Amino acid sequence: QVQLQESGPGLVSPLQTLSLSCSVSGGSVGSDNYYWSWIRQHPGKGLEWIAHISRSGYTYYNPSLRSRISTSVGPSKRQFFLNLKSVTAADAATYYCARGVAVTGSVYFDSWGQGTLVTVSS
Amino acid sequence: QSVLTQPPSLSAAPGQRVTISCSGTSSNIGNNYVSWYQQLPGSAPKLLIYENNKRPSAIPDRFSGSKSGTSATLAISGLQTGDEADYYCGTWDNSLTADVFGGGTKLTV
Repeated sequence: QVQLQESGPGLVSPLQTLSLSCSVSGGSVGSDNYYWSWIRQHPGKGLEWIAHISRSGYTYYNPSLRSRISTSVGPSKRQFFLNLKSVTAADAATYYCARGVAVTGSVYFDSWGQGTLVTVSS
Repeated sequence: QSVLTQPPSLSAAPGQRVTISCSGTSSNIGNNYVSWYQQLPGSAPKLLIYENNKRPSAIPDRFSGSKSGTSATLAISGLQTGDEADYYCGTWDNSLTADVFGGGTKLTV
């Protein structure tokens, strides 16, 4: 059973870049038919999808964040990454990585990391 | 404001059956599969339903999903206190080219 674990700085200064990684065990980012995804949740709020990346590096980004985000897959295919530039207080949230299962017309998330809380403050 | 509309909260007694609605448009629910997630307090979301009405093997059959037109419904029967959680629907939106979620429904048992 695949397991995911986020890691990141916890605290980021305003206007800096937030860099997060997600470690995958029990599976590989190189597996077929999956997207490797980032989703965030502002305190007390709902879920917001950020991005998908496929094993080949093909990406889908949330249009509202596209200008500030980039994603990549590690060379070992056991990690994938999120960079979010020019963060503000509005980016403070719990960030989840998840495995997305691609089916015609949708992606559903069958495995989730435990989440990492990101605070934006100087 | 979320693209998909859910009731903010619902309350029901143990043993009862409750339904949670998720309303969208032809750009999202009307033409794509819907999934549902349960988020227990302090935990990450967990997949409950995928492709409108399919359950992962570990999910009990007390949980069921359906879709009609531009709306989807999650039903939970035989409510237990352990079902107290936030529930989210999700799907792809063809116009936004984005995965979208409902605002979540807080279920009190």
